[in-house]
Amino acid sequence: EAGVVQSPRYKIIEKKQPVAFWCNPISGHNTLYWYLQNLGQGPELLIRYENEEAVDDSQLPKDRFSAERLKGVDSTLKIQPAELGDSAVYLCAVGDGGVAGELFFGEGSRLTVL
Amino acid sequence: AQRVTQPEKLLSVFKGAPVELKCNYSYSGSPELFWYVQYSRQRLQLLLRHISRESIKGFTADLNKGETSFHLKKPFAQEEDSAMYYCALSGSGNEKLTFGTGTRLTIIP
Repeated sequence: EAGVVQSPRYKIIEKKQPVAFWCNPISGHNTLYWYLQNLGQGPELLIRYENEEAVDDSQLPKDRFSAERLKGVDSTLKIQPAELGDSAVYLCAVGDGGVAGELFFGEGSRLTVL
Repeated sequence: AQRVTQPEKLLSVFKGAPVELKCNYSYSGSPELFWYVQYSRQRLQLLLRHISRESIKGFTADLNKGETSFHLKKPFAQEEDSAMYYCALSGSGNEKLTFGTGTRLTIIP
């Protein structure tokens, strides 16, 4: 079975506070993605990992966002400090390797910044 | 650059009527196109991809390179088709998947 478990499902914080999201793949996948989904928009790629290496982080706002993928399995995404505009759903997905474009998404972490 | 355009944010169709969700893309090379679906309270999931040329839940989509389109079609809509639909593009050899803004399909009983 492919897919990921994300936590927390919901998070409410005040601006300037830090926040972290976790992504735990159910089974082994080389490729892991973090997407950002604003209200009324499609998912937008933040960062893509091949095993432990971030191979595409061009869309990640590096002044406040950071991510890591330990041992090429679980991953965390952190925002510090959070801003009002960061309110969105953060999606984690894993790829099947051999089939480009077939991604298995988690349920997402919905962030509200007050 | 890769771009996917879904011109309709909302689409309402009566049950039993045909459905067409529009998708246009921009990509300089040979694209791979996909449709993803998100049912209420469920996670985003792959519906179909053009390379497999299959029909899933009665839906089909044909890649038209001349018109740079990948419209999703179903001849007879069912109530369970109500969902959010996203068209997505991946460049050949490129693992990056670019999504459109989505179309919310509502089937009217």
